[in-house]
Amino acid sequence: GAGVSQSPRYKVTKRGQDVALRCDPISGHVSLYWYRQALGQGPEFLTYFNYEAQQDKSGLPNDRFSAERPEGSISTLTIQRTEQRDSAMYRCASSSTSGRAQYFGPGTRLTVL
Amino acid sequence: AQKITQTQPGMFVQEKEAVTLDCTYDTSDQSYGLFWYKQPSSGEMIFLIYQGSYDEQNATEGRYSLNFQKARKSANLVISASQLGDSAMYFCAMREGQIQGAQKLVFGQGTRLTINP
Repeated sequence: GAGVSQSPRYKVTKRGQDVALRCDPISGHVSLYWYRQALGQGPEFLTYFNYEAQQDKSGLPNDRFSAERPEGSISTLTIQRTEQRDSAMYRCASSSTSGRAQYFGPGTRLTVL
Repeated sequence: AQKITQTQPGMFVQEKEAVTLDCTYDTSDQSYGLFWYKQPSSGEMIFLIYQGSYDEQNATEGRYSLNFQKARKSANLVISASQLGDSAMYFCAMREGQIQGAQKLVFGQGTRLTINP
């Protein structure tokens, strides 16, 4: 398919473990975004990239969260020393230079026990 | 201050009727973009429609249209001839600033739309 893909789709981990969430954007999309969505609420911005450059990381909750996009395509969001409050749906989106739409992936449902 | 306000937590509409979902926004930027997304019970986020602040005409995409009233800072979504498959959560979102170096979206709280047969 040509859409945004994310893996894994579900991740259950124990408190204190590190997790890495992967996003593969639509081919050719230069901008990539990470959001977090709590149940029943709209997505909240975490960080975004243009090509490989991280342009804005103001939404990352604390320094346990980091993201990279080393070759300007696939991105990884890493959460270190996970806590129960990190449990949420993590969504990735991508857009072209027109910026007239952001297309979302299916999300990774993270559960921290 | 809330940047995107969706005042209708839930709406119930008869099939085949038109429905308007309200969205107001707050920004001091002259250049911005407004988006609507649909989130069915399956959980995906489906892009529906986009309106740029400088677009002269209201955006339309099939049965979806955006009633953009710039002076009132409102961007209501209109769905014509509603169908059972339109039942979902709908989110309004805004991107502030220029498109180039496209920036983050700020989402509203959403409106849950239920279409009754």
